[in-house]
Amino acid sequence: DGGITQSPKYLFRKEGQNVTLSCEQNLNHDAMYWYRQDPGQGLRLIYYSQIVNDFQKGDIAEGYSVSREKKESFPLTVTSAQKNPTAFYLCASSHRGLRTEAFFGQGTRLTVV
Amino acid sequence: AQRVTQPEKLLSVFKGAPVELKCNYSYSGSPELFWYVQYSRQRLQLLLRHISRESIKGFTADLNKGETSFHLKKPFAQEEDSAMYYCALSGLQGGSEKLVFGKGTKLTVNP
Repeated sequence: DGGITQSPKYLFRKEGQNVTLSCEQNLNHDAMYWYRQDPGQGLRLIYYSQIVNDFQKGDIAEGYSVSREKKESFPLTVTSAQKNPTAFYLCASSHRGLRTEAFFGQGTRLTVV
Repeated sequence: AQRVTQPEKLLSVFKGAPVELKCNYSYSGSPELFWYVQYSRQRLQLLLRHISRESIKGFTADLNKGETSFHLKKPFAQEEDSAMYYCALSGLQGGSEKLVFGKGTKLTVNP
């Protein structure tokens, strides 16, 4: 079954703890993206990667970190430095090229208590 | 910098009425623009892209470079069109391909 998978669907963490969200794709896509979706804010870009071992900060990268050691995987770590981490996180992937379609995961809802 | 603006958070129309979801963009280069849709309990998915000049589910969108707009239109709205709609722009920043989205418009089509 091809696609992009995020896990877990729901995640609860205590304040001050780092947490890592998983994103895996088997679509052979080079590009991968992480977005944060808040009500009334739309999708805001956290980090993106065009190729293995390379990634760039998006518009709201502070308090987040990523790695891209494999083409298929682009995990996002929400660190304790993120001031308001409770949100819905979406991962996407696409072929390279400005005109290509992005495919999205189902999302992970992170709640920090 | 790339920026996408969707001025309407909410839009409500009656079935059979025309609908227009507005999108304006800011980008110094030649933009690639898209509309994505998220139906209830479904993944965000591509609706259409400007380069294809196609009509999907009766929706069309025309790129107007002079007005830097990419409004989404449908002449006769259906109840199944009720969803969240996002305008997106793909462009180069620092040599990397960046995809940014607007804040979205929630469309409700009433019976």
